Amino acid sequence: DGGITQSPKYLFRKEGQNVTLSCEQNLNHDAMYWYRQDPGQGLRLIYYSQIVNDFQKGDIAEGYSVSREKKESFPLTVTSAQKNPTAFYLCASSPRTDFLEKLFFGSGTQLSVL
Amino acid sequence: GQQVMQIPQYQHVQEGEDFTTYCNSSTTLSNIQWYKQRPGGHPVFLIQLVKSGEVKKQKRLTFQFGEAKKNSSLHITATQTTDVGTYFCAGHSGNTPLVFGKGTRLSVIA
Repeated sequence: DGGITQSPKYLFRKEGQNVTLSCEQNLNHDAMYWYRQDPGQGLRLIYYSQIVNDFQKGDIAEGYSVSREKKESFPLTVTSAQKNPTAFYLCASSPRTDFLEKLFFGSGTQLSVL
Repeated sequence: GQQVMQIPQYQHVQEGEDFTTYCNSSTTLSNIQWYKQRPGGHPVFLIQLVKSGEVKKQKRLTFQFGEAKKNSSLHITATQTTDVGTYFCAGHSGNTPLVFGKGTRLSVIA
């Protein structure tokens, strides 16, 4: 069954802790994206990657880090430097890297601070 | 940088009424996409518009792209309870990724 898998569905972070959100796709898509969604704020781009071993900052990259060691995987780490991490995080992929193709979204991870 | 404004933020309609959401960009767009997110779900692609003045229909949904390629609209005729959710537009220009509007949350009262 092809698609994008995000895990975990819910995640809790303690003060000063780094947490990593998983995103895996078996669609053979080249481009992958991480978005943050806050109520009433729409989707804001954190990082994106168009090719393995390369990624670009989005509009709100501060306090986050990513890696793209494999085509199918694009994990997001929320570091302790991100002071307001509570949000719904969405991973997406696209078969093309020119932003002219639709995005396929995972089911999201809700991150909360303890 | 590029900004995409979407109005209204919320819309409550009686079932059977029509609904429209509007999207405006600060820059000329190469394409615009529309997504629907059901409550508790993730965004799902609805359609992409590329040509100036383009109009596309999907059953009760009509999508328009402005002549100047800086605005777009989504119109739903005779809303149903299944239309409930948040509708997002997302525009692309230059060599930058899609920029999403803040969305319009639609509530349908049966």
